[in-house]
Amino acid sequence: QKEVEQDPGPLSVPEGAIVSLNCTYSNSAFQYFMWYRQYSRKGPELLMYTYSSGNKEDGRFTAQVDKSSKYISLFIRDSQPSDSATYLCAAEQGAQKLVFGQGTRLTINP
Amino acid sequence: KAGVTQTPRYLIKTRGQQVTLSCSPISGHRSVSWYQQTPGQGLQFLFEYFSETQRNKGNFPGRFSGRQFSNSRSEMNVSTLELGDSALYLCASRTANEKLFFGSGTQLSVL
Repeated sequence: QKEVEQDPGPLSVPEGAIVSLNCTYSNSAFQYFMWYRQYSRKGPELLMYTYSSGNKEDGRFTAQVDKSSKYISLFIRDSQPSDSATYLCAAEQGAQKLVFGQGTRLTINP
Repeated sequence: KAGVTQTPRYLIKTRGQQVTLSCSPISGHRSVSWYQQTPGQGLQFLFEYFSETQRNKGNFPGRFSGRQFSNSRSEMNVSTLELGDSALYLCASRTANEKLFFGSGTQLSVL
């Protein structure tokens, strides 16, 4: 079993929809949680960074972490075609190695 | 401020050869990490260097090695290349508050 599990999709939604992306993890020692966005032939770009449980909002993006259920979520409001990319969740204990989910390929249809 | 720079962008090698990839971190960042990304395994941690010392290592064979120079630039070497080493190799540098920023990667194809 992988330490961070993520449904690879693909996920296709119409423009303007609310997108929900989710991951689960198994290592209770994880304290830092991240979401990265990766466009084709590019490196991952940091979207959201969260410490411990709670919500964090940045524009159209909201990250949620529930440590009791070991669940990580990313919500995208008013989705745009430019949001089409692969979204990767990641977790780590501290300044250690980042453990990534498999990535979810998202397409926003105009 | 310039981002993480990786060279070369693309590389084609044959089995048995060795390869060296280069990474320049964001100015002021002292930690450099390397990751391998493949369609089947996703992103996997190779190693991390901090102030020229390897601080962390993933589960890769000894054919994969790296080093970091006094100016924080880093190189990764893979010896005796295998077909399965074909991947996107990503370098990342870490801020003082621990956020990790990635370069665009080196796409390695082993024939």
